[in-house]
Amino acid sequence: DVQMTQSPSSLSASVGDRVTITCRASQDIRNDLGWFQQKPGKAPKRLIYAASSLQSGVPSRFSGSRSGTEFTLTISSLQPEDFATYYCLQHNTYRHTFGQGTKLEIK
Amino acid sequence: QVQLVESGGGVVQPGRSLRLSCAASGFTFSSYGMHWVRQAPGKGLEWVAVIWYDGFFKHYADSVKGRFTISRDNTKNTLYLQMNSLRPEDTAVYYCARDPDYEYWGQGTLVTVSS
Repeated sequence: DVQMTQSPSSLSASVGDRVTITCRASQDIRNDLGWFQQKPGKAPKRLIYAASSLQSGVPSRFSGSRSGTEFTLTISSLQPEDFATYYCLQHNTYRHTFGQGTKLEIK
Repeated sequence: QVQLVESGGGVVQPGRSLRLSCAASGFTFSSYGMHWVRQAPGKGLEWVAVIWYDGFFKHYADSVKGRFTISRDNTKNTLYLQMNSLRPEDTAVYYCARDPDYEYWGQGTLVTVSS
């Protein structure tokens, strides 16, 4: 199975900060990766698909990129509503795998 | 609009069975693969199983293989997860999600395995 190593596991930041979250795949998964935001008690919400495509309706301060097997989610200027937990998900193989999650907290 | 609504969760004793359902609407259900994803209390997301659009191919996480069965009824626009030999570590909120790319998710249903 493909392993997804997500870092950091937690992050403290302030409104207006630029934040980066990374997922590294254990093998080539092409662009078959998505990023999701989850708030307490809610279902995950897709932010990015195909590694770098912005989901319709998601603010443009969110962006995704890929370099080989390393994938990055960037929030260019944190807003209060962005404090949540973020997950990557690879869907290149038959059995999909999530990263461990990154909890983004207010500093 | 696309809607996915899970049901069937509850409290069950270890070793017993439970069947979850996911009712789909707002899209052509028979054209899409479907997934189950779970989240234990305070933990991260775990992919559980996938079924292709026609029900022909199914794949499972190692943690549930041999105990859980994913199925679908395209005439009823409904996805199922039959969970047998339940363990306390299966306690989680179970979500269904649409393939590809998990654009749409249900609200989740809580399964608690406890004596």
